[in-house]
Amino acid sequence: AQKITQTQPGMFVQEKEAVTLDCTYDTSDQSYGLFWYKQPSSGEMIFLIYQGSYDEQNATEGRYSLNFQKARKSANLVISASQLGDSAMYFCAMREGSSNTGKLIFGQGTTLQVKP
Amino acid sequence: KAGVTQTPRYLIKTRGQQVTLSCSPISGHRSVSWYQQTPGQGLQFLFEYFSETQRNKGNFPGRFSGRQFSNSRSEMNVSTLELGDSALYLCASSLRLGSHEQYFGPGTRLTVT
Repeated sequence: AQKITQTQPGMFVQEKEAVTLDCTYDTSDQSYGLFWYKQPSSGEMIFLIYQGSYDEQNATEGRYSLNFQKARKSANLVISASQLGDSAMYFCAMREGSSNTGKLIFGQGTTLQVKP
Repeated sequence: KAGVTQTPRYLIKTRGQQVTLSCSPISGHRSVSWYQQTPGQGLQFLFEYFSETQRNKGNFPGRFSGRQFSNSRSEMNVSTLELGDSALYLCASSLRLGSHEQYFGPGTRLTVT
């Protein structure tokens, strides 16, 4: 069965420093997609970054980058130059192999707090 | 462009009642998915609709149902509410099935007393 594991319930980072949020996944599919979402206290899930299983380069979106290590089945999110507004819950998610579904399987999330 | 809207934002119901939640996707988006978020179980997939057809269903009892209309708006219904149904219900829309980017709404927070 497909599974996403986020082992860090909570993380602290100093403002302007970089932080890595861990995510490992388990799947028997060859084709899959990995996502990171940010959920502020307001509740809305904000899409951050996507990595396809066949993408050879790590995805980057502004201050967000995804450290994709396929052999280790890990997809860590790196946030550079943390800002106070980055304080939120972060979820790693995986889409099943078929491209004909948007169904996502989520990890339990990591709460990130940015200290001034 | 307006984002995904969900109504109502907050709802309090009593055990045994039924509830209907609404989701309006981004204009032009035809795929809508629903998720339940609870502190204990996290985010769990409920259903997925595309072109008024349910394409995928999560592992929830039959009390949970949904539908999608011709304008892509979607509703989900929970009958015979239980205390454990208290959760944040999130709706996500995308242009098509399997699209990389899914845009979530602000959610409906349901409290069952």
